[in-house]
Formats: sequence, C-alpha cells, structure tokens
Amino acid sequence: ETGVTQTPRHLVMGMTNKKSLKCEQHLGHNAMYWYKQSAKKPLELMFVYNFKEQTENNSVPSRFSPECPNSSHLFLHLHTLQPEDSALYLCASSQDGQATDTQYFGPGTRLTVL
Amino acid sequence: GQNIDQPTEMTATEGAIVQINCTYQTSGFNGLFWYQQHAGEAPTFLSYNVLDGLEEKGRFSSFLSRSKGYSYLLLKELQMKDSASYLCAAMDSNYQLIWGAGTKLIIKP
Repeated sequence: ETGVTQTPRHLVMGMTNKKSLKCEQHLGHNAMYWYKQSAKKPLELMFVYNFKEQTENNSVPSRFSPECPNSSHLFLHLHTLQPEDSALYLCASSQDGQATDTQYFGPGTRLTVL
Repeated sequence: GQNIDQPTEMTATEGAIVQINCTYQTSGFNGLFWYQQHAGEAPTFLSYNVLDGLEEKGRFSSFLSRSKGYSYLLLKELQMKDSASYLCAAMDSNYQLIWGAGTKLIIKP
C-alpha cells in the first residue's frame, strides 16, 4: 500500500465517450502528477500540480483535461480519445513539486480506447 | 535534449549478482532515482543518489558518477521476487524526472 489510490483500475471506452480518472493521496503531499506509461517507452509526464496550481503541461492534447480540487485529489477528464491513447495512466504525489522529493505512485488505470 | 539510456532486458540466475547500468543527459541535475515496477503494479522507490559514490541498502546498492553521467543499480543474492522492471530517472534543474524506458530483469532458477 503506497498511500496513493486510483480508480478505476481498468477502463475501456469508445472514441466518443467521456470518462474521468480519479487519484487520491493519503500522504499529506502537496504535489500531484499524471504520467502516461506505454509499453517499452519511458514514463511521459503529462501534468504537475503543486499546491493545487498547475505548474506543468507537457504539450498534452486538449482531449486530456486535468482537475485538482484540493491537494489530496487529482482527476483526469477524457473525451474524444484516440486508440493511440491506450496506455497505463499513473498518478503520483510528492511532498513538494519544486524539490528533490521522492514521488510515490498509485497502481495506475489501464485504459483501452476502441 | 534530455535522455536516459538503460538496457531493455537482462537475465540473471537466482542467488547471483546483477548490475543494471543507466546513463543520463539532462539540463541541470538534481539527483538520480531508481524505481522497481512489477508487472501490473505501481513503480516503487528504491534509491536516490545526488552525490558521487555508492549507497548500500540491504541487497540493493546504487552508484552515481556525476562527471560521467552514469549510474548503476546492483542487486545481490537475487531472488525470484526480484523479477521486475527497474526504472532509472534523473531529475533536471526544474525538478522534473526524466525517465528511462526501464530494464526488464528476468531471474531464472
């Protein structure tokens, strides 16, 4: 148990659907991250929130929309996705996003876009 | 550009020692992390090096040479449960982690 939970664990959606991924951290951290992990590729950082403010958006398509209502919760809203968006989406948290703090990961959501 | 290189796959025998290498190029440097990821699970933190030298933590050790842009993870007395992917990540000057693609370690009896 890492203290970071993600729901759902698996999601299958069509290209016209709208869905949301949820992440919750119970570690009292102030920074939260969304990563995309595709097979045999490096983790791709998508978004960073530090003290509820978005500090990074690494050229992510607008069909991915993050939301951070408080420092414990992070959402990723999905709409009109493409099959190439199928991947494992990992959430992580750390004490501070502008420091050398260790990131702790959730188990991920395995997304399949049909 | 920023880049991390590590071998795609390695195979070792139970009870043996294996060294997983990682080279990095980043804009600034704030340390090198190693994570372990079992199939279908979250990456879990193993080690962090920011100074040159070897850090030992039980069966696992991690080494860093900043001048060479090089690190390795050393696993001793290998156990079957060590079969996993090992991810190397360097932190740049903006405190962002630049990740390698991971090394899949296969342990054979």
